[in-house]
Amino acid sequence: SQTIHQWPATLVQPVGSPLSLECTVEGTSNPNLYWYRQAAGRGLQLLFYSVGIGQISSEVPQNLSASRPQDRQFILSSKKLLLSDSGFYLCAWSVGGADQPQHFGDGTRLSIL
Amino acid sequence: QKEVEQNSGPLSVPEGAIASLNCTYSDRGSQSFFWYRQYSGKSPELIMFIYSNGDKEDGRFTAQLNKASQYVSLLIRDSQPSDSATYLCAVNDRGAGSYQLTFGKGTKLSVIP
Repeated sequence: SQTIHQWPATLVQPVGSPLSLECTVEGTSNPNLYWYRQAAGRGLQLLFYSVGIGQISSEVPQNLSASRPQDRQFILSSKKLLLSDSGFYLCAWSVGGADQPQHFGDGTRLSIL
Repeated sequence: QKEVEQNSGPLSVPEGAIASLNCTYSDRGSQSFFWYRQYSGKSPELIMFIYSNGDKEDGRFTAQLNKASQYVSLLIRDSQPSDSATYLCAVNDRGAGSYQLTFGKGTKLSVIP
């Protein structure tokens, strides 16, 4: 069965510091991968998705970037964090077409000081 | 701007009763509909998905879709205290080939023992 690993679970970072969050999926090949952010009092917002190695689509322009160096690895990065980057970051996967269900990892709770 | 609307609640039901959670969406071209359960501090967990008009049942859960009214609902029979969580409705527009799910802000359900 498929599993998704996301780390770290919590992270406290100062404003202006860099960020790297990693997500890996096991048990499937060529998954679609997603990064979402859930801010307090707001709905889940899609940040990036990828349908293959090196293919990244950005849904929201911001100071974040994503990369997919391997088939089952998805990385979310920032060179300089802002206070507004605080939130709950979730990685998700799906297989097949755009209409297939997405499954979430455990998430990373990011606090910016 | 695609929108997914849910009553934020809280919706309180007694243990053993039927909980009815509702969701409306603005994009008439939407083709795929998902219900996620999110416990406080945790990531969303897929409960049900539905593509066709009518009802789809899985255990104590029934998803209902009415595309003409742009309305999707989730019924939880024999509600248990462990069902207390926030329920997120998500919609995907398959027609545009978009991998983006638009999420509602969720309805908080409280099942009273």
